Amino acid sequence: GAVVSQHPSWVICKSGTSVKIECRSLDFQATTMFWYRQFPKQSLMLMATSNEGSKATYEQGVEKDKFLINHASLTLSTLTVTSAHPEDSSFYICSARLVAGSTEAFFGQGTRLTVV
Amino acid sequence: KNQVEQSPQSLIILEGKNCTLQCNYTVSPFSNLRWYKQDTGRGPVSLTIMTFSENTKSNGRYTATLDADTKQSSLHITASQLSDSASYICVVSATSGGSNYKLTFGKGTLLTVNP
Repeated sequence: GAVVSQHPSWVICKSGTSVKIECRSLDFQATTMFWYRQFPKQSLMLMATSNEGSKATYEQGVEKDKFLINHASLTLSTLTVTSAHPEDSSFYICSARLVAGSTEAFFGQGTRLTVV
Repeated sequence: KNQVEQSPQSLIILEGKNCTLQCNYTVSPFSNLRWYKQDTGRGPVSLTIMTFSENTKSNGRYTATLDADTKQSSLHITASQLSDSASYICVVSATSGGSNYKLTFGKGTLLTVNP
């Protein structure tokens, strides 16, 4: 199956700093990638949809200036949490769509962000 | 509003036993339903996918059922193993125009298999 690699798998940062999370599709080109956030014992919540070469589409309530998404190539999307605060501590997961029109979503292994 | 409800919230069983997880959904227009396994601190991994016309689908010890009329699905795990301990997430896909789809996630059932 298609492989989506997410890096780093965990990160600890100081409050006020920025953190970048990478999501790569290793063996396929992904025109669309998705970024999710998951709190303990909660379901995945879609934050934004990232399309290669265009601006990301953010879900209602997600601050686009705080969660910067860049999808510069067909195999890489990045999520940057700017000026992180402790309440941004969460599990962030990306997924990639194999082909346009497909509902198949391959997930990365997730990134545990802890802001201290 | 599209919703996916899963039950039970958590479940503890002994190794070797069978169990069934439930998923009820109110998603329209329905495209397909997937069950994912999510190990702690990892991303979800797809187990099965079912479309409107499919009633049952198996993947090894995992068997999923779908009743599109009652909008219910179940995931049956047979001869459970310790490695089955994980969160099982029901995800329903709805078409949202053209080739676009929107996924609605359940909160998952946390399964613990004890020796």
